[in-house]
Amino acid sequence: DTGVSQNPRHKITKRGQNVTFRCDPISEHNRLYWYRQTLGQGPEFLTYFQNEAQLEKSRLLSDRFSAERPKGSFSTLEIQRTEQGDSAMYLCASSFDRFSDTQYFGPGTRLTVL
Amino acid sequence: GDSVTQMEGPVTLSEEAFLTINCTYTATGYPSLFWYVQYPGEGLQLLLKATKADDKGSNKGFEATYRKETTSFHLEKGSVQVSDSAVYFCALSPLIQGAQKLVFGQGTRLTINP
Repeated sequence: DTGVSQNPRHKITKRGQNVTFRCDPISEHNRLYWYRQTLGQGPEFLTYFQNEAQLEKSRLLSDRFSAERPKGSFSTLEIQRTEQGDSAMYLCASSFDRFSDTQYFGPGTRLTVL
Repeated sequence: GDSVTQMEGPVTLSEEAFLTINCTYTATGYPSLFWYVQYPGEGLQLLLKATKADDKGSNKGFEATYRKETTSFHLEKGSVQVSDSAVYFCALSPLIQGAQKLVFGQGTRLTINP
């Protein structure tokens, strides 16, 4: 069990550029979650997957955001045409299955949009 | 919708003091309740949890009891240490049709002075 990993840990980009983050969950964990955390706030839910199926998306996930989990293992979160308001910590978490209420978090990717 | 409210921080205590961080929630059904901790520069770590009314979660000297009648899950520790300095998040999982997204409070920053 190597834990949830996220790459990159930090990303600085200019407004209007596209960025992509990767999350590798704990192996054999079927559920994968994405959250966003802004400074001084708690994490806010963005979306989650059961294997490769994306089951729910928050209203926070605008059309510029897309998430995939093509083979039910790692996941990517892409933000197109980044805006300064997208600057935040993007957190990934995984859990064993739909009956597991404990989520294990990765270290996060900190995005700064200039 | 579901929500979590934590006492506002920051909280500053001296070493060996008694700690209470208040947390109340609003939810339909019977959510699971959690405390997560975020140490400086690190990701979220599960501290403790409780899944039904009157359950007590405990870990590393911290305790919290699931109080359905007052919809609360206050975090307590009898004698804090400098190493407990971190941001603490209360969260709930609705557990409707299986485990879903976590709903977090805004976090409480705790600083322990030697």
